Amino acid sequence: GENVEQHPSTLSVQEGDSAVIKCTYSDSASNYFPWYKQELGKRPQLIIDIRSNVGEKKDQRIAVTLNKTAKHFSLHITETQPEDSAVYFCAATDNYGQNFVFGPGTRLSVLP
Amino acid sequence: ETGVTQSPTHLIKTRGQQVTLRCSSQSGHNTVSWYQQALGQGPQFIFQYYREEENGRGNFPPRFSGLQFPNYSSELNVNALELDDSALYLCASSPTSGGTGELFFGEGSRLTVL
Repeated sequence: GENVEQHPSTLSVQEGDSAVIKCTYSDSASNYFPWYKQELGKRPQLIIDIRSNVGEKKDQRIAVTLNKTAKHFSLHITETQPEDSAVYFCAATDNYGQNFVFGPGTRLSVLP
Repeated sequence: ETGVTQSPTHLIKTRGQQVTLRCSSQSGHNTVSWYQQALGQGPQFIFQYYREEENGRGNFPPRFSGLQFPNYSSELNVNALELDDSALYLCASSPTSGGTGELFFGEGSRLTVL
Protein backbone atom coordinates (compact mmCIF):
# COMPACT_ATOMS: atom_id res chain seq x y z
CA GLY A 1 0.00 0.00 0.00
CA GLU A 2 0.86 3.67 -0.12
CA ASN A 3 3.42 5.09 2.33
CA VAL A 4 3.94 8.83 2.77
CA GLU A 5 6.99 10.27 4.50
CA GLN A 6 7.31 13.92 5.51
CA HIS A 7 10.26 16.09 6.53
CA PRO A 8 11.11 17.91 8.66
CA SER A 9 9.01 16.99 11.67
CA THR A 10 9.51 20.46 13.16
CA LEU A 11 10.46 23.72 11.49
CA SER A 12 11.09 27.14 12.99
CA VAL A 13 11.45 30.20 10.79
CA GLN A 14 11.59 33.94 11.37
CA GLU A 15 8.58 35.94 10.33
CA GLY A 16 8.95 36.95 6.70
CA ASP A 17 11.21 34.03 5.78
CA SER A 18 10.19 31.10 3.58
CA ALA A 19 9.32 27.59 4.77
CA VAL A 20 9.60 24.38 2.76
CA ILE A 21 8.11 21.01 3.72
CA LYS A 22 8.88 17.91 1.68
CA CYS A 23 6.96 14.66 1.23
CA THR A 24 7.67 11.42 -0.61
CA TYR A 25 5.22 8.72 -1.59
CA SER A 26 5.63 5.13 -2.68
CA ASP A 27 2.64 4.20 -4.88
CA SER A 28 3.00 5.32 -8.49
CA ALA A 29 -0.80 5.03 -8.86
CA SER A 30 -1.31 8.01 -6.53
CA ASN A 31 -2.37 11.06 -8.50
CA TYR A 32 -3.84 13.54 -6.04
CA PHE A 33 -1.74 15.28 -3.39
CA PRO A 34 -3.43 17.64 -0.91
CA TRP A 35 -1.92 19.63 1.92
CA TYR A 36 -3.85 20.18 5.14
CA LYS A 37 -3.20 22.70 7.92
CA GLN A 38 -4.22 21.85 11.47
CA GLU A 39 -4.10 24.54 14.11
CA LEU A 40 -3.96 23.50 17.74
CA GLY A 41 -7.24 21.91 18.77
CA LYS A 42 -8.81 22.53 15.38
CA ARG A 43 -9.86 20.40 12.43
CA PRO A 44 -7.49 19.81 9.48
CA GLN A 45 -8.30 22.16 6.61
CA LEU A 46 -7.23 21.94 2.99
CA ILE A 47 -4.86 24.74 2.00
CA ILE A 48 -3.74 23.62 -1.46
CA ASP A 49 -3.71 20.51 -3.62
CA ILE A 50 -2.11 19.29 -6.83
CA ARG A 51 -2.98 16.61 -9.33
CA SER A 52 -0.49 14.43 -11.17
CA ASN A 53 -0.93 16.18 -14.51
CA VAL A 54 0.42 19.43 -13.05
CA GLY A 55 3.97 20.19 -11.89
CA GLU A 56 3.34 23.30 -9.84
CA LYS A 57 0.44 25.23 -8.37
CA LYS A 58 0.38 28.58 -6.57
CA ASP A 59 -2.14 30.34 -4.37
CA GLN A 60 -0.91 33.67 -3.06
CA ARG A 61 1.91 32.89 -0.58
CA ILE A 62 1.54 29.13 -0.90
CA ALA A 63 2.85 26.88 -3.66
CA VAL A 64 3.12 23.15 -4.18
CA THR A 65 5.48 21.36 -6.56
CA LEU A 66 5.25 17.75 -7.72
CA ASN A 67 7.90 15.50 -9.22
CA LYS A 68 6.14 12.30 -10.30
CA THR A 69 9.31 10.63 -11.50
CA ALA A 70 10.97 11.00 -8.12
CA LYS A 71 7.68 10.54 -6.26
CA HIS A 72 8.01 13.64 -4.14
CA PHE A 73 6.07 16.84 -3.62
CA SER A 74 6.76 19.96 -1.58
CA LEU A 75 4.90 22.80 0.09
CA HIS A 76 6.42 26.27 -0.11
CA ILE A 77 5.22 29.14 2.07
CA THR A 78 6.71 32.56 1.38
CA GLU A 79 6.66 35.67 3.58
CA THR A 80 5.62 33.61 6.60
CA GLN A 81 3.37 35.17 9.22
CA PRO A 82 2.66 34.15 12.84
CA GLU A 83 -0.76 32.82 11.79
CA ASP A 84 1.03 30.27 9.58
CA SER A 85 2.13 28.49 12.78
CA ALA A 86 0.39 25.10 12.76
CA VAL A 87 0.91 21.44 11.90
CA TYR A 88 0.96 20.74 8.17
CA PHE A 89 0.08 17.32 6.72
CA CYS A 90 0.71 16.12 3.21
CA ALA A 91 -1.37 13.28 1.79
CA ALA A 92 -1.64 11.08 -1.27
CA THR A 93 -4.47 9.15 -2.83
CA ASP A 94 -5.45 7.50 -6.09
CA ASN A 95 -8.43 8.01 -8.37
CA TYR A 96 -10.71 6.12 -6.06
CA GLY A 97 -10.22 8.77 -3.38
CA GLN A 98 -11.19 6.30 -0.70
CA ASN A 99 -8.02 6.17 1.29
CA PHE A 100 -6.06 9.34 1.85
CA VAL A 101 -2.67 8.36 3.26
CA PHE A 102 -1.32 11.17 5.40
CA GLY A 103 2.25 11.98 6.33
CA PRO A 104 3.18 12.28 10.02
CA GLY A 105 3.04 16.07 9.96
CA THR A 106 5.37 19.05 10.26
CA ARG A 107 5.01 21.48 13.16
CA LEU A 108 5.80 24.94 11.77
CA SER A 109 6.58 27.75 14.18
CA VAL A 110 6.88 31.28 12.82
CA LEU A 111 8.84 33.40 15.25
CA PRO A 112 8.08 37.15 15.45
CA GLU B 1 -24.33 25.48 4.50
CA THR B 2 -23.80 23.34 7.61
CA GLY B 3 -20.32 21.90 8.15
CA VAL B 4 -19.35 18.49 9.50
CA THR B 5 -20.35 18.04 13.13
CA GLN B 6 -19.23 15.32 15.52
CA SER B 7 -20.35 14.19 18.95
CA PRO B 8 -19.32 13.81 21.65
CA THR B 9 -16.30 16.12 21.62
CA HIS B 10 -14.57 14.37 24.50
CA LEU B 11 -15.16 11.11 26.29
CA ILE B 12 -13.40 8.78 28.71
CA LYS B 13 -13.84 5.02 28.70
CA THR B 14 -12.16 2.06 30.37
CA ARG B 15 -10.55 -0.93 28.72
CA GLY B 16 -13.03 -3.48 27.41
CA GLN B 17 -15.89 -1.01 27.08
CA GLN B 18 -17.63 -0.05 23.85
CA VAL B 19 -18.02 3.41 22.34
CA THR B 20 -20.16 5.00 19.62
CA LEU B 21 -19.11 8.22 17.91
CA ARG B 22 -21.44 10.19 15.67
CA CYS B 23 -20.99 12.39 12.64
CA SER B 24 -23.26 14.57 10.56
CA SER B 25 -21.91 15.16 7.09
CA GLN B 26 -21.80 18.52 5.35
CA SER B 27 -24.95 19.39 3.45
CA GLY B 28 -24.92 17.82 -0.01
CA HIS B 29 -22.18 15.29 0.80
CA ASN B 30 -22.99 11.59 0.43
CA THR B 31 -19.64 10.10 1.48
CA VAL B 32 -18.24 9.87 4.99
CA SER B 33 -14.78 8.71 6.01
CA TRP B 34 -13.42 8.08 9.48
CA TYR B 35 -9.83 8.67 10.53
CA GLN B 36 -7.92 7.96 13.74
CA GLN B 37 -5.33 10.56 14.73
CA ALA B 38 -3.02 9.51 17.54
CA LEU B 39 -1.18 12.26 19.38
CA GLY B 40 1.57 13.75 17.25
CA GLN B 41 0.70 11.71 14.17
CA GLY B 42 -1.16 12.13 10.93
CA PRO B 43 -4.74 10.88 10.47
CA GLN B 44 -5.03 7.17 9.63
CA PHE B 45 -7.86 5.92 7.43
CA ILE B 46 -10.33 3.61 9.20
CA PHE B 47 -13.09 3.23 6.60
CA GLN B 48 -15.38 5.05 4.22
CA TYR B 49 -19.14 4.86 3.75
CA TYR B 50 -21.00 5.68 0.55
CA ARG B 51 -24.76 5.27 0.16
CA GLU B 52 -24.94 3.32 3.43
CA GLU B 53 -22.34 0.74 2.35
CA GLU B 54 -18.74 0.36 3.49
CA ASN B 55 -16.67 1.47 0.52
CA GLY B 56 -13.09 0.89 1.58
CA ARG B 57 -11.31 0.00 4.80
CA GLY B 58 -7.90 0.66 6.25
CA ASN B 59 -5.78 -1.59 8.43
CA PHE B 60 -8.07 -1.66 11.46
CA PRO B 61 -9.47 -4.79 13.19
CA PRO B 62 -13.15 -5.83 12.92
CA ARG B 63 -13.93 -4.39 16.35
CA PHE B 64 -13.98 -1.06 14.52
CA SER B 65 -17.31 -0.93 12.70
CA GLY B 66 -19.56 1.71 11.28
CA LEU B 67 -22.89 2.68 9.85
CA GLN B 68 -24.20 5.28 7.47
CA PHE B 69 -27.82 6.36 7.56
CA PRO B 70 -30.14 7.49 4.72
CA ASN B 71 -29.46 11.14 5.63
CA TYR B 72 -25.71 10.37 5.17
CA SER B 73 -24.87 10.81 8.84
CA SER B 74 -22.60 8.11 10.24
CA GLU B 75 -21.53 6.27 13.36
CA LEU B 76 -18.21 4.73 14.33
CA ASN B 77 -18.41 1.90 16.85
CA VAL B 78 -15.41 0.48 18.67
CA ASN B 79 -15.80 -2.65 20.78
CA ALA B 80 -13.47 -4.10 23.43
CA LEU B 81 -11.58 -0.82 23.83
CA GLU B 82 -7.81 -0.99 24.26
CA LEU B 83 -5.46 1.64 25.67
CA ASP B 84 -4.03 2.24 22.17
CA ASP B 85 -7.47 3.29 20.96
CA SER B 86 -6.94 6.60 22.77
CA ALA B 87 -6.90 9.16 19.96
CA LEU B 88 -8.76 11.91 18.17
CA TYR B 89 -11.35 10.40 15.83
CA LEU B 90 -12.03 12.56 12.82
CA CYS B 91 -14.99 12.29 10.52
CA ALA B 92 -14.67 13.75 7.02
CA SER B 93 -17.32 14.13 4.37
CA SER B 94 -16.93 14.61 0.66
CA PRO B 95 -19.41 15.19 -2.14
CA THR B 96 -18.66 11.94 -3.92
CA SER B 97 -16.97 8.61 -3.39
CA GLY B 98 -15.24 8.26 -6.71
CA GLY B 99 -12.67 10.69 -7.96
CA THR B 100 -10.54 12.91 -5.78
CA GLY B 101 -11.26 16.08 -3.94
CA GLU B 102 -11.30 17.89 -0.64
CA LEU B 103 -12.11 16.14 2.60
CA PHE B 104 -14.16 18.32 4.93
CA PHE B 105 -13.26 17.38 8.48
CA GLY B 106 -15.22 17.74 11.68
CA GLU B 107 -13.62 18.95 14.91
CA GLY B 108 -13.21 15.38 16.08
CA SER B 109 -14.08 13.27 19.11
CA ARG B 110 -11.24 12.84 21.56
CA LEU B 111 -11.38 9.40 23.15
CA THR B 112 -9.35 8.53 26.22
CA VAL B 113 -9.19 4.87 27.27
CA LEU B 114 -8.06 4.23 30.84
